[in-house]
Parts: sequence; structure tokens; C-alpha cells
Amino acid sequence: DAGVTQSPTHLIKTRGQQVTLRCSPKSGHDTVSWYQQALGQGPQFIFQYYEEEERQRGNFPDRFSGHQFPNYSSELNVNALLLGDSALYLCASSLSLRRGAYNEQFFGPGTRLTVL
Amino acid sequence: ILNVEQSPQSLHVQEGDSTNFTCSFPSSNFYALHWYRWETAKSPEALFVMTLNGDEKKKGRISATLNTKEGYSYLYIKGSQPEDSATYLCALYGGATNKLIFGTGTLLAVQP
Repeated sequence: DAGVTQSPTHLIKTRGQQVTLRCSPKSGHDTVSWYQQALGQGPQFIFQYYEEEERQRGNFPDRFSGHQFPNYSSELNVNALLLGDSALYLCASSLSLRRGAYNEQFFGPGTRLTVL
Repeated sequence: ILNVEQSPQSLHVQEGDSTNFTCSFPSSNFYALHWYRWETAKSPEALFVMTLNGDEKKKGRISATLNTKEGYSYLYIKGSQPEDSATYLCALYGGATNKLIFGTGTLLAVQP
């Protein structure tokens, strides 16, 4: 059983560019959450997707957007990149609250984004 | 705004030492607390999910306790080994908000 996978592993972009990160959830999971971990901080919640819709959102600007596909995989898009967007981006998958009383989140290895 | 705090920020111990870390969180509206171990270049690995006040969980040499009334959890490692070297993260689960609020982690380095 493949766990959560993310691609690419590393990415280098310049300011102003746009980036797309991808996540495939653990088999059987239907909910995908994205987190940003900047240097020296714990992971910060960006948003969560379920049934192809954004269900929860953290304190991130509209430059951060996402998408969930019918197969539950997800993309994170960041437009107009800033130097401060350099971070590790983690994807976590889980079962929706509707399907489980408690939905433990399983994490991928992350995508390291560097903005120059 | 919910704030989860962890201490110490980092810890260097010798092989065989026992150690413990603290995670503090707001005691109101508690739903669940997670502990994760995160080795460099790997995915965060779930250690424990704790939901009830007084919970004690154990996995090998690692154990954790939970006090929801006073808002803290302790993680203990008995007889640390070099392979225990990692960042240990705690995260508060928001229940209806369905998201994790992480602390900044404790970086443990175990010297052989």
C-alpha cells in the first residue's frame, strides 16, 4: 500500500513565477490537507480539500490555491511567488469526518520549494 | 488563535540517556493531540494520538502522557539510541475544523 506521495521532491523558482505541487493520498483516503513549513517553524495549515472543494482554509493569501481531482489527488498552486514562500510543503491525507469518527492524518515527504 | 508550544527547542543527549519533552496547548475545546516523529528527508511518522485526559500511551521505549485539564502532554524516551535522533512534533487536532495546529518541534540529537 503506497502511502502519501508528493512531487516534485525539490523545486527552484524565481520571484513572480507560478508553481504547482502535487499530492497523491494514501489508498482509501478522500481528504487532502496542505501545510507549509518555513525554516524554524512548525507546519502551518494552508487548506483542506474534500469532495473536490476547499473545506477549510488557514491564514494564507489568495495567491495560494488548490484543486482536488475525482481520484482524490490534489494540487497546490502558488502564484506570484515571493522569497518568503520558500519552504517545505507537506501534504497529508485522511478519511473525511463523515466516514470516520476520527481521521488521523498521514503525511507525505514534502516538496522543498526555493524561491530566488 | 490556538497556540501550541513545545520545549525544549533542541536537546543533545548521550546514547542510553532517558529524556522527555513537553507540549503545551490551550485546555479549552480539546479534541485530540498527536505526536509525530520526523526524521530528516522522510515523512512525519505518527507516534501517538491521544484523546482522553490521563491517557498514557507506549510504543517500545517511547511513551506519552496527556493532561487536558492543564493543557500539556509529555513525551518520554527511555534509553535513547542514535536512531531516535529526529524532530518530535506535537499537534493539536481541531475537531470540527479538521486541521492540525503544530508546535515548532523539539530536535533531538543522540550521540553514540
